[in-house]
Amino acid sequence: QKEVEQNSGPLSVPEGAIASLNCTYSDRVSQSFFWYRQYSGKSPELIMSIYSNGDKEDGRFTAQLNKASQYVSLLIRDSQPSDSATYLCAVNKGAQKLVFGQGTRLTINP
Amino acid sequence: KAGVTQTPRYLIKTRGQQVTLSCSPISGHRSVSWYQQTPGQGLQFLFEYFSETQRNKGNFPGRFSGRQFSNSRSEMNVSTLELGDSALYLCASSPGPSTGLDTQYFGPGTRLTVL
Repeated sequence: QKEVEQNSGPLSVPEGAIASLNCTYSDRVSQSFFWYRQYSGKSPELIMSIYSNGDKEDGRFTAQLNKASQYVSLLIRDSQPSDSATYLCAVNKGAQKLVFGQGTRLTINP
Repeated sequence: KAGVTQTPRYLIKTRGQQVTLSCSPISGHRSVSWYQQTPGQGLQFLFEYFSETQRNKGNFPGRFSGRQFSNSRSEMNVSTLELGDSALYLCASSPGPSTGLDTQYFGPGTRLTVL
């Protein structure tokens, strides 16, 4: 079992709809969780961080964390073509070691 | 505030050579982490430095090494290059010294091609 798992996609969503991205992790002692966006040929860009159970909202983005079920999700409301990218879920394993999922490729269709 | 910078951005080497990559963290950040990204393995942690000390290391062979200087700039070195070392090498900085909650910010990466 991989430490962090994501559906690789591709996930195709019409413009203006809600995109839902999911991630599960195996280590219960993980403390912090991150979503990064990566455009093709570019480096990862931080979208959201979340540390506590529940929802965290930032503009069109909402991160959800459920430690009991060991999953993290990212919702993107009013999806735009510019949101088309690969979304990486990352878990901090301590000593600044991030473990990443394989990423979900998201395509927003105009 | 300037972001993380990495040099060089692109590098072509041949098998058996060695390479040194450089990373300057965000001003005031003292922790630098290195990652390797390949299409097959994704993003994998190499090592992390804080105050010139390596605090954590990933599962890579000893050919991969690094160091950090007193100004928090970091270098990583790969000796005896292999074809499989072709990858995007990413540096990330964070404030430190927290190890569990700090957010890491990535530089643009160095694209290494081994021929």
